[in-house]
Amino acid sequence: DVKVTQSSRYLVKRTGEKVFLECVQDMDHENMFWYRQDPGLGLRLIYFSYDVKMKEKGDIPEGYSVSREKKERFSLILESASTNQTSMYLCASSSTGTAKNIQYFGAGTRLSVL
Amino acid sequence: DQQVKQNSPSLSVQEGRISILNCDYTNSMFDYFLWYKKYPAEGPTFLISISSIKDKNEDGRFTVFLNKSAKHLSLHIVPSQPGDSAVYFCAASAKGGSEKLVFGKGTKLTVNP
Repeated sequence: DVKVTQSSRYLVKRTGEKVFLECVQDMDHENMFWYRQDPGLGLRLIYFSYDVKMKEKGDIPEGYSVSREKKERFSLILESASTNQTSMYLCASSSTGTAKNIQYFGAGTRLSVL
Repeated sequence: DQQVKQNSPSLSVQEGRISILNCDYTNSMFDYFLWYKKYPAEGPTFLISISSIKDKNEDGRFTVFLNKSAKHLSLHIVPSQPGDSAVYFCAASAKGGSEKLVFGKGTKLTVNP
């Protein structure tokens, strides 16, 4: 079974803090993704990586950056957290093989910025 | 510009009856469609998918129908069970090698005992 692990289930941070959200997958997937989920807005793609050190902006990259130094790990960074970044953050991974379109998700990190 | 639309935010169904969740899309380049199920405080889990070369795919109680001319797909759950109560997301991917999925906003299904 594919396992995508997000380091924290719940985080509380203060405005202006630098926040790191970590994600690790164990299936040797090439692609990794960061989404945020907000009520009534569905899942919105923040950033996407298709290889180590490669990244691509999603629909809402402002205020975020990412890092992928190893294939299994994809980090989301909030450079200076703001209250409008309070949200559920979801990491996902997928293969470029035959089932390339299926993304597997972690359990999510609920971030509150006070 | 919403390329994948789930126009019903919520749906309530009686246990044992059929649940029908609908999804419309606007991008003609979409060639693969997926349904995900999400429980509160958990990540979405893949449920079922369909390629644009098919019009139906079935997996146990779940069937997805695709109408390309109408740019419409639907997920049928028969019979519905209380454990099916969750938010269902429709997603699509486009030809051309992109690995990205475009998600709808979700429909919250409640199955009443």
